[in-house]
Amino acid sequence: ETGVTQSPTHLIKTRGQQVTLRCSSQSGHNTVSWYQQALGQGPQFIFQYYREEENGRGNFPPRFSGLQFPNYSSELNVNALELDDSALYLCASSLQGAAYEQYFGPGTRLTVT
Amino acid sequence: GEDVEQSLFLSVREGDSSVINCTYTDSSSTYLYWYKQEPGAGLQLLTYIFSNMDMKQDQRLTVLLNKKDKHLSLRIADTQTGDSAIYFCAESKGNTPLVFGKGTRLSVIA
Repeated sequence: ETGVTQSPTHLIKTRGQQVTLRCSSQSGHNTVSWYQQALGQGPQFIFQYYREEENGRGNFPPRFSGLQFPNYSSELNVNALELDDSALYLCASSLQGAAYEQYFGPGTRLTVT
Repeated sequence: GEDVEQSLFLSVREGDSSVINCTYTDSSSTYLYWYKQEPGAGLQLLTYIFSNMDMKQDQRLTVLLNKKDKHLSLRIADTQTGDSAIYFCAESKGNTPLVFGKGTRLSVIA
């Protein structure tokens, strides 16, 4: 069984730029959720994807967007990066209807300068 | 609104038991979770408990839930240096997003 993987591991971007983060879900899982974890904080829910559509969104602006592909992998896109976007971005996969078992990837550390 | 509170730090001696506490505000929470995060890593699901349970035990881990007081605890027996990490309490209603606390940093002193 393959666990959740994310790429890249680390990323440095400049304010105003755009970034794309990638996530491959655990084998057999059809639902992907993205979380933002700022330094010293708990993860905050960004959005969830199921059947290639957004299926719930947290309190994040529209410049945070995503995609899910037929193989259930997912992308998180952030436009017009701000300094406060610096964080660890975590992807979690689960089965729809079994969100009580979400398994997280190692995360992507984004630094915006 | 939903809120999950945890104390920020806990220090224990190797071999002792650790107890990490958490309170939550949403009485309709269905599942309560404990996740572990080691430095530079993602979150590892340690265990979760359904809200109609009072206790769940899994090897060295014991979870206690007091639904009346909205209080959750995680006890780690025979704490080892490898248990040093940040422990997050979280809640959900099953198919809703996880709501996390800020995490408790556990330091194990050899």
